[in-house]
Amino acid sequence: EPEVTQTPSHQVTQMGQEVILRCVPISNHLYFYWYRQILGQKVEFLVSFYNNEISEKSEIFDDQFSVERPDGSNFTLKIRSTKLEDSAMYFCASSGWPAGSQETQYFGPGTRLLVL
Amino acid sequence: AQSVTQPDIHITVSEGASLELRCNYSYGATPYLFWYVQSPGQGLQLLLKYFSGDTLVQGIKGFEAEFKRSQSSFNLRKPSVHWSDAAEYFCAVGGTNAGKSTFGDGTTLTVKP
Repeated sequence: EPEVTQTPSHQVTQMGQEVILRCVPISNHLYFYWYRQILGQKVEFLVSFYNNEISEKSEIFDDQFSVERPDGSNFTLKIRSTKLEDSAMYFCASSGWPAGSQETQYFGPGTRLLVL
Repeated sequence: AQSVTQPDIHITVSEGASLELRCNYSYGATPYLFWYVQSPGQGLQLLLKYFSGDTLVQGIKGFEAEFKRSQSSFNLRKPSVHWSDAAEYFCAVGGTNAGKSTFGDGTTLTVKP
């Protein structure tokens, strides 16, 4: 069964450093998403991406965040200058259906980011 | 705005007992509803989903959920819980054009031997 993959599984970084989290969505999917889950809290939507542009973003997704689909297979989340509060599990997801249709988002295993 | 409420933060059941996890949602149109399970340190596994049609949906691992529009609920049930079911369970509602899902706070399930 096809699956979403994410690398790295764990990342430790110093505050103020840039990090790039990578995701490989399911190959024929059209919509891509990032969510995060701070330890012990619920999963929160960050951003959705379709047709090479952001479709929707939450208030969490401020100027320090950016997303990119650099090639036909990868989908990345960049945090320009990490803060302590960015420590969380970051989940990538993808879905294949066009807007308004039935959608199942397939989630990756997550990248656990720790900012020191 | 869409929202999800899971009233029970923590539930403990004995192995073999039945289980019901509650979920209430708020959404302006027909919701797409999901239940996910998350084991410690792991990702999200989709248990089941409701889009339309039969309001009782079957999922993996013996779980089922019933959509009740009148109560804005989508409760998850299992007739006989196994120790391996101990995990965090998240209810989610989606359905915007961009497919954004909104998650509840989660319910932690502990299974007593």
